[in-house]
Amino acid sequence: AQSVTQPDARVTVSEGASLQLRCKYSYSATPYLFWYVQYPRQGLQLLLKYYSGDPVVQGVNSFEAEFSKSNSSFHLQKASVHWSDSAVYFCALSMRNNRIFFGDGTQLVVKP
Amino acid sequence: GPKVLQIPSHQIIDMGQMVTLNCDPVSNHLYFYWYKQILGQQMEFLVNFYNGKVMEKSKLFKDQFSVERPDGSYFTLKIQPTALEDSAVYFCASSLALGGDTQYFGPGTRLLVL
Repeated sequence: AQSVTQPDARVTVSEGASLQLRCKYSYSATPYLFWYVQYPRQGLQLLLKYYSGDPVVQGVNSFEAEFSKSNSSFHLQKASVHWSDSAVYFCALSMRNNRIFFGDGTQLVVKP
Repeated sequence: GPKVLQIPSHQIIDMGQMVTLNCDPVSNHLYFYWYKQILGQQMEFLVNFYNGKVMEKSKLFKDQFSVERPDGSYFTLKIQPTALEDSAVYFCASSLALGGDTQYFGPGTRLLVL
């Protein structure tokens, strides 16, 4: 069965620090992988997605993620966070029918 | 980027009543989805819809649920009758294609069933 695990419910970092949000997935084939961000009272916004090719994917706002088939992971990274990055981040996978499976989300708090 | 709108943003109703949640998807999109998120839990797939038909539904999509998009207007989720466990945030999404094509999400409708 397919699933997505985000082991960290909440991550707190200082502004300007680097960030990694962890994501592990379970799926028998290579899935489509996504990172979405949700700001308060807004819908999910796509940060980046991966299916094949270069395992390091660049997204919006200088976010990037690295796919690892051996580790079944798709961690999100950013070199230097800004206070406006505070939000909830969801890792997700989908199959060819576009049914999406979401992780529980990680709440990112950026301290000034 | 493309916007998906959802109306209303909040709805409070009594158990047993009917409720219709409305979604205005991205204009040229062909595939439509509903997801449900109970407070503190994962967002879960309910149903996807294409060309006037349900393509796939999850076990959360109870018999009391129905979806339609009459004449290319709103994509709606109707719950009749509602139950207490239907209280959740319902997110609508749309995409142009399948195969991992990006789904664009609305801000959600917060439904409270009393």
